[in-house]
Amino acid sequence: QQQVKQSPQSLIVQKGGISIINCAYENTAFDYFPWYQQFPGKGPALLIAIRPDVSEKKEGRFTISFNKSAKQFSLHIMDSQPGDSATYFCAASKSPGNTPLVFGKGTRLSVIA
Amino acid sequence: DAGITQSPRHKVTETGTPVTLRCHQTENHRYMYWYRQDPGHGLRLIHYSYGVKDTDKGEVSDGYSVSRSKTEDFLLTLESATSSQTSVYFCATKATSGESYEQYFGPGTRLTVT
Repeated sequence: QQQVKQSPQSLIVQKGGISIINCAYENTAFDYFPWYQQFPGKGPALLIAIRPDVSEKKEGRFTISFNKSAKQFSLHIMDSQPGDSATYFCAASKSPGNTPLVFGKGTRLSVIA
Repeated sequence: DAGITQSPRHKVTETGTPVTLRCHQTENHRYMYWYRQDPGHGLRLIHYSYGVKDTDKGEVSDGYSVSRSKTEDFLLTLESATSSQTSVYFCATKATSGESYEQYFGPGTRLTVT
């Protein structure tokens, strides 16, 4: 049973375009939703995270949109750049903070010039 | 990266041999995790630790064991390696304090079982 479903598996976006990656979760007890970015040969690193008390969080060109009723959240990358080419993972966990993250299967993003 | 190192970084081993991977952290984080990453499967939790000598199973724990005798070290052992355990293994840590839920990942160990 996959608790966090991520789509698409891969995405190709033109430089300057908007990249959108979607995730859906099943467990209503989840209350922390991060996105991780991973470059080839490296470990994942936290990009941005949101709690369900807000519907949107923005950090620079990266925005998380959260829809609690639909149990969905998404990552938007505005003005996508070739340097954004990486694999992106959504994840979820529940309180307390010691519970492990559950990850989606990842999206490989390629931004082409 | 929370001062996480993993050793070895690459290993090739034969089916049936025991293998131990080491994760070392310098941040005094309470929680430590072992994940494996495979194409099409993302990151899957193998085992995790919530303190010295306190461990629990994750989603894909069969064939793996762990030990944590010191806060800074978390060992993952494949008792008898199989080809299905060929993967990239990541260690992660998380601090206890405050509202931080962030998990920090190490650089990974690429394991090939022939």
